[in-house]
Amino acid sequence: ILNVEQSPQSLHVQEGDSTNFTCSFPSSNFYALHWYRWETAKSPEALFVMTLNGDEKKKGRISATLNTKEGYSYLYIKGSQPEDSATYLCAPPNTGNQFYFGTGTSLTVIP
Amino acid sequence: DSGVTQTPKHLITATGQRVTLRCSPRSGDLSVYWYQQSLDQGLQFLIQYYNGEERAKGNILERFSAQQFPDLHSELNLSSLELGDSALYFCASSGAPRGESPLHFGNGTRLTVT
Repeated sequence: ILNVEQSPQSLHVQEGDSTNFTCSFPSSNFYALHWYRWETAKSPEALFVMTLNGDEKKKGRISATLNTKEGYSYLYIKGSQPEDSATYLCAPPNTGNQFYFGTGTSLTVIP
Repeated sequence: DSGVTQTPKHLITATGQRVTLRCSPRSGDLSVYWYQQSLDQGLQFLIQYYNGEERAKGNILERFSAQQFPDLHSELNLSSLELGDSALYFCASSGAPRGESPLHFGNGTRLTVT
């Protein structure tokens, strides 16, 4: 089983605050890093797919960075809104194409 | 709507029985992934198929099997069911054989074993 760790496990922030979470993964056999947003009672939705060391992606108020050499990725949310409340998952499919997800960071944005 | 269709939505069955879950991937996607989400657990990777061939195996039990058919739909067969197999089973599809493309998830099949 691929050792994917996400921190923190959960987070409560006030509306308007900026926040960030971490995904740590083994740097060996790295192939790509995925971020997903999973709202309660829905299915996970893809946010970003990143493959290159130093890669940065942005989608509205959400952005992500990738460091493949040290095995981590950060997800940032600027000016959190209540609709950002969800669980954020990362998954680093390896060269063997085993696609394990981390346990996620649960974000609650308080209005 | 992700374009991935899973049937049935809900399934209730007894211990010891066998069930089949079905997944139709997004049009044009050749990869299908199966995941299990048990109560209070994250997404557990079970197995991946690409264009009809098994490509990667995860935490799939020997009582479970899967296949992908020539029309690219996939089925997950669960046999000798136990209470602990009760879970939400997700199928996801992507256009690539490996992890370079995002996964598109279906709405899941909720299996209850009584």
